Amino acid sequence: AQKITQTQPGMFVQEKEAVTLDCTYDTSDPSYGLFWYKQPSSGEMIFLIYQGSYDQQNATEGRYSLNFQKARKSANLVISASQLGDSAMYFCAMREETYFISNFGNEKLTFGTGTRLTIIP
Amino acid sequence: NAGVTQTPKFQVLKTGQSMTLQCAQDMNHEYMSWYRQDPGMGLRLIHYSVGAGITDQGEVPNGYNVSRSTTEDFPLRLLSAAPSQTSVYFCASSTGLAGGPLEQYFGPGTRLTVT
Repeated sequence: AQKITQTQPGMFVQEKEAVTLDCTYDTSDPSYGLFWYKQPSSGEMIFLIYQGSYDQQNATEGRYSLNFQKARKSANLVISASQLGDSAMYFCAMREETYFISNFGNEKLTFGTGTRLTIIP
Repeated sequence: NAGVTQTPKFQVLKTGQSMTLQCAQDMNHEYMSWYRQDPGMGLRLIHYSVGAGITDQGEVPNGYNVSRSTTEDFPLRLLSAAPSQTSVYFCASSTGLAGGPLEQYFGPGTRLTVT
C-alpha cells in the first residue's frame, strides 16, 4: 500500500528566507505522481506543483520547486523567498499511475498528515 | 466556471440522523471523489467515481453511500450519523484522462459536526 510521511508537524521561518518541507513516500508502483497542496486558514485546497516519477527534471512553478530524489523516495517542497501569505498547512500527496495510463480514471490520492508553516515577519 | 461547489458549508446533526452532502462540478470532469479531513490525519478517501454510474470505495467508506447519476453531481450520503463522522468533507474532481490537467480540483469543504 502506498504511504506518505511528513515528519514536520510545524515550522517557523523568517520572511524572505527559503524553506524546505519534507515528504517521503512508499509505493510498489513503478509509475506514480507526487503533488503538493496548500491549505490556508480559509480551508480550501490549492494545488501547487506536480512531479511524475519518470520526469527527468525537478518540477518548478514560480517560487515553488520540488526536490525529487527517487532513490531516497523523497519529494521535498522548496519555497524560495518566503512571504507572509505562505503561512498555511502544506500537504504532500501521491497517486499511483501505472493503471492510470491504461485504466482511464484511476486518480486516487494518498495524503500525508501535513506541515503547518508559519512565516514570521 | 464555478468549479467544484459543495453545500452546505456547515452542518450540525444529531446522532442517528441522515443527510446528504452535495457536490457539483461544471468542468465536465469524469473523475470525482470525496475525502474527509480530521486533525492530524490529512485527507482520506471515502468514495470515488470514474464516471456516471460507476463508483467505488476508498480508504474509509463505512457509514457513507454514494451514487453518480450525472457527470456533474456526486452526492455523499450519511445514513445514520455518528460522532466519529465529525469532520471536514472535501469533494474533488479531475479530468481522469492521461495527458490532461494533472491536479484534482477541490471544493471549499463542508464542516460537519455530529452531536
